Amino acid sequence: RKEVEQDPGPFNVPEGATVAFNCTYSNSASQSFFWYRQDCRKEPKLLMSVYSSGNEDGRFTAQLNRASQYISLLIRDSKLSDSATYLCVLSTGGYNKLIFGAGTRLAVHP
Amino acid sequence: DGGITQSPKYLFRKEGQNVTLSCEQNLNHDAMYWYRQDPGQGLRLIYYSQIVNDFQKGDIAEGYSVSREKKESFPLTVTSAQKNPTAFYLCASSVGINTEAFFGQGTRLTVV
Repeated sequence: RKEVEQDPGPFNVPEGATVAFNCTYSNSASQSFFWYRQDCRKEPKLLMSVYSSGNEDGRFTAQLNRASQYISLLIRDSKLSDSATYLCVLSTGGYNKLIFGAGTRLAVHP
Repeated sequence: DGGITQSPKYLFRKEGQNVTLSCEQNLNHDAMYWYRQDPGQGLRLIYYSQIVNDFQKGDIAEGYSVSREKKESFPLTVTSAQKNPTAFYLCASSVGINTEAFFGQGTRLTVV
């Protein structure tokens, strides 16, 4: 089983739609969780960290469920500029080994 | 400007040659990482380093080598033993344990 699993998509949604991505992980000792965004042929950029209590940044909401070992990202009122690949990332262990999911591709259309 | 600088942006290598990819950061971060990304794929960890003079193999270290002689520098050498080196290479750094990482703009390596 992969350490981090994501639905590869693509998710094709119209502008203004709400879309949600899930990510499951296998190591219950995972300590920190993040969502990154990667545009085509560019480097990944941090979108937001994910906290146990859940957190929101504008149109983006992240949730962590440790009991079921998944994290989620909700995007409200999708914009064309949200089109990208969204990467689920977690860190485990004392060496801060960051593990990336393969990503979920989002395409927002007019 | 603080950040992570990778060079070169594009690199062409002949078969059988070793090449070294540069990664420099001025963020005063302790941890640094090298990832490889193939088209349509996720990031795979090659090597990572938590502190100077210490580094650990990632999931796909074979055919690669690194050094961490200075806090701000973490060069990656792609050796001739790496049979399929054509890929997008990404360097990242983070403050320390369990913190988010920041990436350089990447180096696209092509074997010709």
